[in-house]
Amino acid sequence: DGGITQSPKYLFRKEGQNVTLSCEQNLNHDAMYWYRQDPGQGLRLIYYSQIVNDFQKGDIAEGYSVSREKKESFPLTVTSAQKNPTAFYLCASSIGPRGTQYFGPGTRLLVL
Amino acid sequence: QKEVEQDPGPLSVPEGAIVSLNCTYSNSAFQYFMWYRQYSRKGPELLMYTYSSGNKEDGRFTAQVDKSSKYISLFIRDSQPSDSATYLCATMGGTASKLTFGTGTRLQVTL
Repeated sequence: DGGITQSPKYLFRKEGQNVTLSCEQNLNHDAMYWYRQDPGQGLRLIYYSQIVNDFQKGDIAEGYSVSREKKESFPLTVTSAQKNPTAFYLCASSIGPRGTQYFGPGTRLLVL
Repeated sequence: QKEVEQDPGPLSVPEGAIVSLNCTYSNSAFQYFMWYRQYSRKGPELLMYTYSSGNKEDGRFTAQVDKSSKYISLFIRDSQPSDSATYLCATMGGTASKLTFGTGTRLQVTL
């Protein structure tokens, strides 16, 4: 089955800790995206990548970092610089930069 | 002002009702319009995708775009309890390839 997987489903972060969220797709899509969803604010773009070894900041990139070493993988690191990390994180992919975006099941990040 | 405005609801309707969900947008460069459905604690799933103005129908769902008034709508006929979810509108176009989302409307279809 083709699709997007995200892990873990729930993640807990301690003060000052960096945590990494995984996103994998087997759709052979070139473009991948990370969004953050907070109640009442919709989805906001954190980072996106249109091709391997290249990525751009979205609207709220501060406190986050990404890498794109493989076409199928686009991990997101939430660093200690992100002071309000509690949110639902969604990964998406599309065949190209203007293609339809398909979403993974999400990771809920909570702060201890 | 947000680029895409959407009433958060909640909107409660009885089973079998026709549902109308709406968004307005401010950027006239937007050309692609999407509706996503999101169940609680799940990722959004694409329902409808339209380009420019006009209507598109898929089963019980109809998407409508009026670029002259910058207004997009999703109609759900014969609504079912399984339609209870949050519905997100999204737009894309211009020089940016990223999606701009509305905040979502929570719909509850009651028996």
